Amino acid sequence: EVQLVESGGGVVRPGGSLRLSCAASGFTFDDYGMSWVRQVPGKGLEWVSTINWKGIHTYYADSVKGRFTISRDNAKNSLYLQMNSLGAEDTAFYYCARGRSAPGSSWYQTWFDSWGQGTLVTVSS
Amino acid sequence: DIQMTQSPSTLSASVGDRVTITCRASQTISNWLAWYQQKPGKAPTLLIHRASNLQSGVPSRFSGSGSGTEFTLTISSLQPDDFATYYCQQYNSYSPVSFGPGTKLEIK
Repeated sequence: EVQLVESGGGVVRPGGSLRLSCAASGFTFDDYGMSWVRQVPGKGLEWVSTINWKGIHTYYADSVKGRFTISRDNAKNSLYLQMNSLGAEDTAFYYCARGRSAPGSSWYQTWFDSWGQGTLVTVSS
Repeated sequence: DIQMTQSPSTLSASVGDRVTITCRASQTISNWLAWYQQKPGKAPTLLIHRASNLQSGVPSRFSGSGSGTEFTLTISSLQPDDFATYYCQQYNSYSPVSFGPGTKLEIK
C-alpha cells in the first residue's frame, strides 16, 4: 500500500523558515516524480513544486520561486520542502503527492495518484 | 499560465441523481486533465486522469469526458459517499500545473 506521511509543519513567524518532510513507503520511490501541493484551509488546491525521479530537475510555482526548495533523498525514500522567507500567504496545509506522467509526455506533466494526509503550516506573529 | 474554471461552484443533489460538473481551461490542453474528490479534513483522491481514464479502484459510476478546453465529470447515480468537493487539474506541457476552484456537491 502506498503511504506518504508528511511532517515538519507548525507555527512560524513571518520571515522565518521551515522544512517539511515526506516519508514514502509501499512503492519504489525513485521510480516517481514527486510534488508538493498546498491548500489554504477552506480554499482550493495550489500546486507548489515538482521534482523528477532523480532529483535533478525541479519546477516551482511563481508564488514560491526563489523562496522554496524541493529536494529528495532516494536512499531514505524521502521528499523535502525547504521554505524560507515565509509570509502569511504561505499559511496552508501542505500535501506531498506522487506524480504520474503519460508515456511520451514531459516529466513535469503530472497528475497525482497518491497524496499524504497533509501538514499544516501557519505563519503568524 | 492556464486558468481553470468549474461550474457550478455548488451543486445540490439527491442520492440516485445523475450529476455533471463542468471544467473549462483558458487555453486548449488536449486531454491533459485529471479529476479529484476531496472530503472534509482529508487529502484529495484521484478519480480520473487523461480526461476519461478511470483510476483503479474508483467506482464505474464516475466518468469523465472532453478535450481541448471543455471537460465534464459525471456521476451516474449519486451515492451517499459521493458528497464531497471535486477539483479538476490540468497538466499541459506548456504551463504549470493548475487546479480548478472546486465544486462542492451537497445533499439536497
